[in-house]
Amino acid sequence: GQQVMQIPQYQHVQEGEDFTTYCNSSTTLSNIQWYKQRPGGHPVFLIQLVKSGEVKKQKRLTFQFGEAKKNSSLHITATQTTDVGTYFCAGINQAGTALIFGKGTTLSVSS
Amino acid sequence: NAGVTQTPKFRVLKTGQSMTLLCAQDMNHEYMYWYRQDPGMGLRLIHYSVGEGTTAKGEVPDGYNVSRLKKQNFLLGLESAAPSQTSVYFCASSYSPPSGLYNEQFFGPGTRLTVL
Repeated sequence: GQQVMQIPQYQHVQEGEDFTTYCNSSTTLSNIQWYKQRPGGHPVFLIQLVKSGEVKKQKRLTFQFGEAKKNSSLHITATQTTDVGTYFCAGINQAGTALIFGKGTTLSVSS
Repeated sequence: NAGVTQTPKFRVLKTGQSMTLLCAQDMNHEYMYWYRQDPGMGLRLIHYSVGEGTTAKGEVPDGYNVSRLKKQNFLLGLESAAPSQTSVYFCASSYSPPSGLYNEQFFGPGTRLTVL
């Protein structure tokens, strides 16, 4: 069945270092969404990418959608302790009725 | 606006017991979803609803039932709880379907369920 895979599963960085998480789909996606879940919290929507090759920035966060619309990445520049949490990507299933979430990348940051 | 609320926040059940989780949203959203989150497994869709009176199965529907009698409420039922249903359950809602324009999903705070 359709799958959305994320790597790495865990990443630990020192504060100030950069961080990247990658998302790959087994099928072409019409769009991809990114969510962040703080420890003990619930997922919160960050952004949606729709166009092939699209790049969007939110302050220190840069989101990219691959040219073939089968992969995406989230890059955080100069991590801060407030970036701690699990980052999920999610693609639409082929019927267009539901999101398929990746298993997430959990980021920890030490100061 | 309260957004998406879930009750209860925590619950411990014994195997075979039943319970209902309640999700409520005050954003007039048509689409509502129930997910379960297990360590290392991400979010998996249990059931979803595209409007009042309609429900559909997601990726992991077995052992669960749902009802959407009112637009603002989405109920998740466990008829005979099993230890494998120990999980954190999240409800979410959206204005549009995932393929639509306003498709951002808003999540509730979650219900932590333990089945002994």
